[in-house]
Amino acid sequence: KNQVEQSPQSLIILEGKNCTLQCNYTVSPFSNLRWYKQDTGRGPVSLTIMTFSENTKSNGRYTATLDADTKQSSLHITASQLSDSASYICVVSTDTGTASKLTFGTGTRLQVTL
Amino acid sequence: GAGVSQTPSNKVTEKGKYVELRCDPISGHTALYWYRQSLGQGPEFLIYFQGTGAADDSGLPNDRFFAVRPEGSVSTLKIQRTERGDSAVYLCASSLTDGGNYNEQFFGPGTRLTVL
Repeated sequence: KNQVEQSPQSLIILEGKNCTLQCNYTVSPFSNLRWYKQDTGRGPVSLTIMTFSENTKSNGRYTATLDADTKQSSLHITASQLSDSASYICVVSTDTGTASKLTFGTGTRLQVTL
Repeated sequence: GAGVSQTPSNKVTEKGKYVELRCDPISGHTALYWYRQSLGQGPEFLIYFQGTGAADDSGLPNDRFFAVRPEGSVSTLKIQRTERGDSAVYLCASSLTDGGNYNEQFFGPGTRLTVL
């Protein structure tokens, strides 16, 4: 069964600090891996998309890495801000040619405090 | 509008009732997806439309759930004889095409359904 596991489940950090969120997946066939940010009461918003051949991708203070051999990804947030408080969801896509079928992780709930 | 919109934002109903949830995708997006997100969980795939047709409905939990997209734009998710276990946030997403890398799905804010 296709699965995406994330850790930690939740995290509290001080404003200005860095943090790294982890994602392990067992999805096949693999098409790409995405990190989404979901604010409370809102739909997920895409941060990064990486294909099999990409090891790292950045979007501002967010940097995602991908190791397709070990089926692991991480999302590093630099110089955190209060507005980074949200759930971060790792999503692996299986592209069947007719649809991009997404398998979602359960997310890491990040809280940035003063 | 600029993004995916969903109505209503909240729906409270009684067990056994029928509900309809509406999704307006981004204009020009041919692919439309429905997901269900339970508290503390990631979204789970329900059904996917390419144009007017349901290309993949393998995620629908049972025959009480049904979705339509008659003109290839707006979609309605219909739930008959609602049960308390149907309580969740129902998310809709749309994308410009139906597959391929970097094919980003844009999500709406969701409809929070509560079945009492």
